[in-house]
Amino acid sequence: KNEVEQSPQNLTAQEGEFITINCSYSVGISALHWLQQHPGGGIVSLFMLSSGKKKHGRLIATINIQEKHSSLHITASHPRDSAVYICAARAVWDYGGSQGNLIFGKGTKLSVKP
Amino acid sequence: DAGVTQSPTHLIKTRGQQVTLRCSPKSGHDTVSWYQQALGQGPQFIFQYYEEEERQRGNFPDRFSGHQFPNYSSELNVNALLLGDSALYLCASSVTGTGGAFFGQGTRLTVV
Repeated sequence: KNEVEQSPQNLTAQEGEFITINCSYSVGISALHWLQQHPGGGIVSLFMLSSGKKKHGRLIATINIQEKHSSLHITASHPRDSAVYICAARAVWDYGGSQGNLIFGKGTKLSVKP
Repeated sequence: DAGVTQSPTHLIKTRGQQVTLRCSPKSGHDTVSWYQQALGQGPQFIFQYYEEEERQRGNFPDRFSGHQFPNYSSELNVNALLLGDSALYLCASSVTGTGGAFFGQGTRLTVV
């Protein structure tokens, strides 16, 4: 079992729909990242969460530390939201001077149709 | 601020050859991590460099090695290339202790 699991793997939505992508993790974390990857490879960081909820435009990310679960929501989806969304857990690191590595989920491929 | 820059963007190598990939971190960032992303998969952690030392390492063979320079830039070296090393190699930089991560565009390595 992977340490970071995402669902669904693939998601097709109509423009305007509300979208939810889920992420569960089994390791201790210092932070949880939501990332966006477009064809060609570049990754953009959307959110970094350690508790609660964050909102940026039409994107909302939540995390429940007790349940080890996070969700990414997209309101009023648009074709330009089509991308791969990746959840990554920042592992806890006990040694001073550096930080835990990122453990990635496999990603959710989102396609929004006009 | 140029952000995280990686070079080259694309590379084709033959099995058995050696390759060096380069990463310049975002200005002010002191920690560089390297990831390998196979097609259709999430990135896998290779190693992390801080203060010119390898601080952490993922489950990759010794053929994968790296270096960090005093200006915080980093190199990833892969020896004795295998077909299975074909992947997108991503560099991420951060300020240690902050938990953040800024990614480069990646280097697409094809081994033939």
